[in-house]
Amino acid sequence: SQQGEEDPQALSIQEGENATMNCSYKTSINNLQWYRQNSGRGLVHLILIRSNEREKHSGRLRVTLDTSKKSSSLLITASRAADTASYFCATDAEGSNYKLTFGKGTLLTVNP
Amino acid sequence: DGGITQSPKYLFRKEGQNVTLSCEQNLNHDAMYWYRQDPGQGLRLIYYSQIVNDFQKGDIAEGYSVSREKKESFPLTVTSAQKNPTAFYLCASRREHQQSYEQYFGPGTRLTVT
Repeated sequence: SQQGEEDPQALSIQEGENATMNCSYKTSINNLQWYRQNSGRGLVHLILIRSNEREKHSGRLRVTLDTSKKSSSLLITASRAADTASYFCATDAEGSNYKLTFGKGTLLTVNP
Repeated sequence: DGGITQSPKYLFRKEGQNVTLSCEQNLNHDAMYWYRQDPGQGLRLIYYSQIVNDFQKGDIAEGYSVSREKKESFPLTVTSAQKNPTAFYLCASRREHQQSYEQYFGPGTRLTVT
């Protein structure tokens, strides 16, 4: 079952602009994670936000979590062409024993 | 891609043949996972293992089998019973610790069955 659903499915922006991706999920979670995948490669962990946190920063990344709305957003500021990739949210649901459920991802294209 | 290796990168097989995908990690992680990814889709969990000699079915285990005889290795066999085996297969691992949640992924194996 795919609990996380990202929105939009695809996003195209110019270098230097900010990119915002959203994720909605269905059940209670322990934490929510964002991963990045370059085309044809494995996933790389970007950032984790726990269920009792509302916002977290890491470099140019900002993640928010609204557990009442069961949604999260990932903001990439001052985007670069190298940020072009697919971005996935993954939820660690309560009682799942650390199993992650991934969404379908947002394909971000940053044009130079 | 961290300390996880998957081989080969590309694999071609004829329909009706079983095929085994390799996954090795040198991160000393206890937990290992196999996912399947179809074009434009997210990852779906096939099997996972939290300790040697033990593994559990994920969401789409039918037509697949695994073994976990060593901590470092978690091979996945795609059997002829899997109806649509062509996909991108990703292996991941996680340190089995209460405060450790992130997964580390290998580079993936793209399997094509004709």
